[in-house]
Amino acid sequence: DIQMTQSPSTLSASVGDRVTITCRASQSITSSLAWYQQKPGKAPNLLIYKASSLESGVPSRFSASGSGTEFTLTISSLQPEDFATYYCQQYHSYSSFGPGTKVDIK
Amino acid sequence: EVQLVESGGDLVQPGGSLRLSCAASGFTFRSYAMSWVRQAPGKGLEWVSGISGNGGSTYSADSVRGRFTISRDNSKTSLYLQMNSLSAEDTAVYYCAKGVQLWLDYFDSWGQGTLVTVSS
Repeated sequence: DIQMTQSPSTLSASVGDRVTITCRASQSITSSLAWYQQKPGKAPNLLIYKASSLESGVPSRFSASGSGTEFTLTISSLQPEDFATYYCQQYHSYSSFGPGTKVDIK
Repeated sequence: EVQLVESGGDLVQPGGSLRLSCAASGFTFRSYAMSWVRQAPGKGLEWVSGISGNGGSTYSADSVRGRFTISRDNSKTSLYLQMNSLSAEDTAVYYCAKGVQLWLDYFDSWGQGTLVTVSS
């Protein structure tokens, strides 16, 4: 099974900050990686697929890159509505999620 | 508009069984793989089980294999999860999630979730 890790587990930031989250896979997953945002009490929301493709309707301040085993999600200028938990998901071999990164207010 | 509505969550005793359902609408159900993803209280997301568009292929996580069975009825545009031999570790919100092609991939739509609590 493919194991996913994320760092940091928690990130404290301010509105307007540039934020970067890293996701690593235990083996190569090529570009079969998605990113989700989840707010408390809500279902996850797809942000990015195929490692760097922005889902329709997602603000352009979200971007992502990577391939193989290392991936990043960047928020260029953090907005109040971006405080949430972010998960990566590999779908190269079945599916598995990273443990999540909580972005909270500094 | 895609809609996924889960039901069937309940309080169940350890060792018991439960069947979850997910009613889908707003898209050609048979054309997409579907999955169940769960989230224990205060924890992260865990993919549980997936099924191909025609129902011919299924796969489950090690944590539930042999206890949980995923199925679908394309004529009723519904997804199911039969859960047996439940334990406290299965307590979670269970989400139904839609894939973007016939086999497993990422999820572009999610239901609101249904809560399963395993406790005596």
